[in-house]
Amino acid sequence: SQKIEQNSEALNIQEGKTATLTCNYTNYSPAYLQWYRQDPGRGPVFLLLIRENEKEKRKERLKVTFDTTLKQSLFHITASQPADSATYLCAPNSGGYQKVTFGIGTKLQVIP
Amino acid sequence: EAGVTQFPSHSVIEKGQTVTLRCDPISGHDNLYWYRRVMGKEIKFLLHFVKESKQDESGMPNNRFLAERTGGTYSTLKVQPAELEDSGVYFCASSYGQGPYEQYFGPGTRLTVT
Repeated sequence: SQKIEQNSEALNIQEGKTATLTCNYTNYSPAYLQWYRQDPGRGPVFLLLIRENEKEKRKERLKVTFDTTLKQSLFHITASQPADSATYLCAPNSGGYQKVTFGIGTKLQVIP
Repeated sequence: EAGVTQFPSHSVIEKGQTVTLRCDPISGHDNLYWYRRVMGKEIKFLLHFVKESKQDESGMPNNRFLAERTGGTYSTLKVQPAELEDSGVYFCASSYGQGPYEQYFGPGTRLTVT
């Protein structure tokens, strides 16, 4: 069955450093992959979408890579700030389908 | 622009009772989705409306769950009768078009069944 793996343990990093979160998936070939941010008591907020034919995508301090051979996406936040502290959800999805399939998320804590 | 709103924010009911959750999508969004997060698990898809029609209800757990979207605007999700395992956070999301458009999520309704 399809499986999405994110490190469910919290990731603690020092302010100013680059945070790197990993998303691995198995048993399917997503046409695109999304990353969402979720704060406590809130719904997920869309951050970035990368398609299978794109290797890398950037938005301000965010960078996402998508390696379809390794079946892995990496999510980077450069110059991290305490305000970046949140849970980040990976969502690889097959083309043509509307529903979002989420990983369990990785909690990021940026320490001042 | 108003975001997706959900009501109530929190509901506590006893096993066997009925609860109705409401979602108001962003105006003009034809696509409306329901998701659920059970404690310790991933957020999982329940169903998808396109306007008033159910496009995909493959994630609905069983026939105790009934979703409606009359008139293609707001949607309700009724659980009747509620069971303990129905506890969790129910999210609603909406999007403008088909394809991999970003979905805008509401704050969720936390349902506790005792």
